[in-house]
Amino acid sequence: AQSVTQLDSHVSVSEGTPVLLRCNYSSSYSPSLFWYVQHPNKGLQLLLKYTSAATLVKGINGFEAEFKKSETSFHLTKPSAHMSDAAEYFCVVSDQRAGNNRKLIWGLGTSLAVNP
Amino acid sequence: DADVTQTPRNRITKTGKRIMLECSQTKGHDRMYWYRQDPGLGLRLIYYSFDVKDINKGEISDGYSVSRQAQAKFSLSLESAIPNQTALYFCATSSNSGNTIYFGEGSWLTVV
Repeated sequence: AQSVTQLDSHVSVSEGTPVLLRCNYSSSYSPSLFWYVQHPNKGLQLLLKYTSAATLVKGINGFEAEFKKSETSFHLTKPSAHMSDAAEYFCVVSDQRAGNNRKLIWGLGTSLAVNP
Repeated sequence: DADVTQTPRNRITKTGKRIMLECSQTKGHDRMYWYRQDPGLGLRLIYYSFDVKDINKGEISDGYSVSRQAQAKFSLSLESAIPNQTALYFCATSSNSGNTIYFGEGSWLTVV
């Protein structure tokens, strides 16, 4: 069965310092992996996705994530946090079995706070 | 204009009342979804539809029903609302590859 674990429910960083949001997954098949961001009182926006191409994936707003199969991880990083990055971040997994209906499994979210 | 539009954006309703949340999309996608979001529980799938004639229950379909009126429209109904259905509801759509899902901005529903 597939599952997603976001290892930190809350992360707090100072503006200008690196961001690391951790995500581990479990999947019996080759997964597709996604990071979504939700700003306060806003909908969900796709940050980036991995679908079996390059293992280092670059997304919007300077975020990137690396798919590490040996570690079953897909951690989200950004070199320098900005105040506008404060939001809730969700790691999502979907397997790629042929014919599968590609249901998404969502992590519980990591709340990122950015301090001045 | 938004690719996925939900109405209403906010609604307060009383226990036992029927409430409908509507969703329309301009992406031309076949697949549409309804999720609810609760604090600490992430997003949970209520119903999904892979085309106009295909409706499937998600993980928490009890107490909900849906209607796929057209490719672009997918509505969610609570026939008799109860307080634990208070949540933020999201409609979404994706292409048949399912690799990227586009979300509406959410509908806050409060059942008192």
